[in-house]
Amino acid sequence: DAGITQSPRHKVTETGTPVTLRCHQTENHRYMYWYRQDPGHGLRLIHYSYGVKDTDKGEVSDGYSVSRSKTEDFLLTLESATSSQTSVYFCAISEGQGLYNEQFFGPGTRLTVL
Amino acid sequence: KNEVEQSPQNLTAQEGEFITINCSYSVGISALHWLQQHPGGGIVSLFMLSSGKKKHGRLIATINIQEKHSSLHITASHPRDSAVYICAVRSGVRGGADGLTFGKGTHLIIQP
Repeated sequence: DAGITQSPRHKVTETGTPVTLRCHQTENHRYMYWYRQDPGHGLRLIHYSYGVKDTDKGEVSDGYSVSRSKTEDFLLTLESATSSQTSVYFCAISEGQGLYNEQFFGPGTRLTVL
Repeated sequence: KNEVEQSPQNLTAQEGEFITINCSYSVGISALHWLQQHPGGGIVSLFMLSSGKKKHGRLIATINIQEKHSSLHITASHPRDSAVYICAVRSGVRGGADGLTFGKGTHLIIQP
């Protein structure tokens, strides 16, 4: 299995509080992604990174920011959590620039915003 | 934006049956992925293909680029195959760095 961990695995927080989710990889892969998974929507891309300090927005980026200061860590921050951000968040990594590289997924973080 | 449609949404079958899950997409792609998500939530990559057919054990994936369609087949299905199967496409924008677009998944239950 690819070495991807996510922390925390579960979190309950209140509306308006800041939340940071961490994705850590030991594979030295260049590309990292944050997705959210919701019933009826499937997985959707929030943000992605194509290198240290290089990030870009995905399909559902409003209300989220990311940072990548080291190859191995990709942080997802909810500056002021809302109930609509209750979801399961998955991190994924991909090795190279080629179009055919697999994505490997972390175990997920279940976030509940009350 | 690519639209990815999977069918059926739900499928219940008996052990041993041949299973087919379909995936259609609206815009040309560079690669298509089939993923498996077990009840515990973990997501595993099964196949990545851009043309033709791939086989791994009892699983077979095919793709028809002209028709923008892919199928995932499971032969001699077993209760341990019960999972959600997800189709995802990569459009190739920005060298493929911009992530995947996913279908909503097919929930498969294989009964003993």
